[in-house]
Amino acid sequence: AQSVTQPDIHITVSEGASLELRCNYSYGATPYLFWYVQSPGQGLQLLLKYFSGDTLVQGIKGFEAEFKRSQSSFNLRKPSVHWSDAAEYFCAVGDNYGQNFVFGPGTRLSVLP
Amino acid sequence: EAGVTQFPSHSVIEKGQTVTLRCDPISGHDNLYWYRRVMGKEIKFLLHFVKESKQDESGMPNNRFLAERTGGTYSTLKVQPAELEDSGVYFCASSPGWGLGTDTQYFGPGTRLTVL
Repeated sequence: AQSVTQPDIHITVSEGASLELRCNYSYGATPYLFWYVQSPGQGLQLLLKYFSGDTLVQGIKGFEAEFKRSQSSFNLRKPSVHWSDAAEYFCAVGDNYGQNFVFGPGTRLSVLP
Repeated sequence: EAGVTQFPSHSVIEKGQTVTLRCDPISGHDNLYWYRRVMGKEIKFLLHFVKESKQDESGMPNNRFLAERTGGTYSTLKVQPAELEDSGVYFCASSPGWGLGTDTQYFGPGTRLTVL
């Protein structure tokens, strides 16, 4: 069965610093990978997704993620964090129909001024 | 275009009572999903509708949970009777089509359910 791990439960960075959130997955076939963000009081918003093609994926709000099949990873990065990025981030893997989602436990990001 | 909406945003009930959660998907989306996040745990899949039919309900925890999607539009998730362990955030998501390799699920804001 597929699974997703996000090793970091909580990360704190200073505003303007770079960010990398880790995601590792286990999936028997070609994975379809997603990053969602949940800001306080909001729903889950899709940041980016990977289905095929270029392994470096650009998303909204200046985020990007790189799919590395050899490492079973799909880490999320941002070169310069803004205070508004404080939120909880979820990595998810789905099948090739965009269904059967399995979510990671989430990483809570705090941003220091 | 309106996103996925859920009602209510919060619900506080006592153990043994009944609660009904509602989800309105994005107009035209055939697929509708329910998920649940129990405090501190992962977001877990509950079930999936394609139009009005239940495609997959393997994640439903027990028969106290009943989901419907009459007419293939909005969906309701009823918990009867509610137990303490049902507390959590219930998310609804919708996606456009069936079998599309690039289908994306769009999530609602969730309903926070507290069972006392």
